[in-house]
Amino acid sequence: GQQLNQSPQSMFIQEGEDVSMNCTSSSIFNTWLWYKQDPGEGPVLLIALYKAGELTSNGRLTAQFGITRKDSFLNISASIPSDVGIYFCAGRTAGTYKYIFGTGTRLKVLA
Amino acid sequence: GAGVSQSPSNKVTEKGKDVELRCDPISGHTALYWYRQSLGQGLEFLIYFQGNSAPDKSGLPSDRFSAERTGGSVSTLTIQRTQQEDSAVYLCASSYYAGGGETQYFGPGTRLLVL
Repeated sequence: GQQLNQSPQSMFIQEGEDVSMNCTSSSIFNTWLWYKQDPGEGPVLLIALYKAGELTSNGRLTAQFGITRKDSFLNISASIPSDVGIYFCAGRTAGTYKYIFGTGTRLKVLA
Repeated sequence: GAGVSQSPSNKVTEKGKDVELRCDPISGHTALYWYRQSLGQGLEFLIYFQGNSAPDKSGLPSDRFSAERTGGSVSTLTIQRTQQEDSAVYLCASSYYAGGGETQYFGPGTRLLVL
């Protein structure tokens, strides 16, 4: 099925470093959701975005709804070992209920 | 409050057998989704329920797959005559509309292994 382009696919970072990842779409979205999935668990919602340009924080996490409405960014500041996992973006166009999911960014934090 | 729950958490079955996977959405959520996640892959949409409307079954991979949602709450995903390629994590999500938009919450998933 259709998927978003999410990058990077994986990254190794040192504890304490900041992390950035993004998703791009060929379609204009009216909703962006960011999830984290730990091994053996379901995705957990981190941040929801509903307006172009919107910038929302959740602790050390900050996500932005791109102005073009075709992209979104997630930043993690001062990473810690428990940030390890797979981060997914999901987007949806106006008037639809189907979410399209990114391919995931696998984050590994080196202590 | 309680989140989305799914059962069983793990299921091992033999090829050709039928399986039923259950999802209990968050109370009050009118929309319910089923997804499939293969190892190391993203989420594949299977089916969507919204209130009393006819479900969107466009993502079901074959006629061996079916789903029901009784009373607008609990949902069951049934896979008949399972095949090895059906092995995956089956995730259920429910959603509601509040404030600026709709937000979707996932259950822990059912890990299905077809031998």
